[in-house]
Amino acid sequence: QKEVEQNSGPLSVPEGAIASLNCTYSDRVSQSFFWYRQYSGKSPELIMSIYSNGDKEDGRFTAQLNKASQYVSLLIRDSQPSDSATYLCAVSDYGGSQGNLIFGKGTKLSVKP
Amino acid sequence: DAGVTQSPTHLIKTRGQHVTLRCSPISGHKSVSWYQQVLGQGPQFIFQYYEKEERGRGNFPDRFSARQFPNYSSELNVNALLLGDSALYLCASSSSGGGIPGYTFGSGTRLTVV
Repeated sequence: QKEVEQNSGPLSVPEGAIASLNCTYSDRVSQSFFWYRQYSGKSPELIMSIYSNGDKEDGRFTAQLNKASQYVSLLIRDSQPSDSATYLCAVSDYGGSQGNLIFGKGTKLSVKP
Repeated sequence: DAGVTQSPTHLIKTRGQHVTLRCSPISGHKSVSWYQQVLGQGPQFIFQYYEKEERGRGNFPDRFSARQFPNYSSELNVNALLLGDSALYLCASSSSGGGIPGYTFGSGTRLTVV
């Protein structure tokens, strides 16, 4: 059973701080990794994708991937109250017979003004 | 440019009934996937279709079925509804059959079974 694990939180950080969200996955052959943001009552929105080891930066967001440790993380710099949402980590086994996403349960982030 | 569109947005059904959910992918996207999201959980994979062929099926009973049409739109059908089928049903489209460059989700259909 392929699994993606996330700390459900809630993770509370003050405005302007760095929020660090973590995710581990069980399937070593996973090849694609995604972070989605989901506001309450809304659908998931893709914010970052990463495919190779190392860091990938996009504005205030940095995704980090360590395939040896089967670990992926998301850093949000200068956190804003509008970043308050549930962050879903998703992993794809693209390259095999299926390309479906396996999601974690999500980490709820609260940014306090 | 329209995103992924789903209909209806909300639906209330009675146990034992049948439901059909519809999805139109982003123009040019040939892959459509369906996910079920129960409150407090991450989305769970139900089906993936690419070029009108089933590419993958999640761990859901045979009461769940889907198909993709020549224009790449898709339907998800659920028979003999159970209370546990109450969830947000998400459709996602992608330009390829796999996880690259990542799926774009529609706004979902909120199904309530009473």
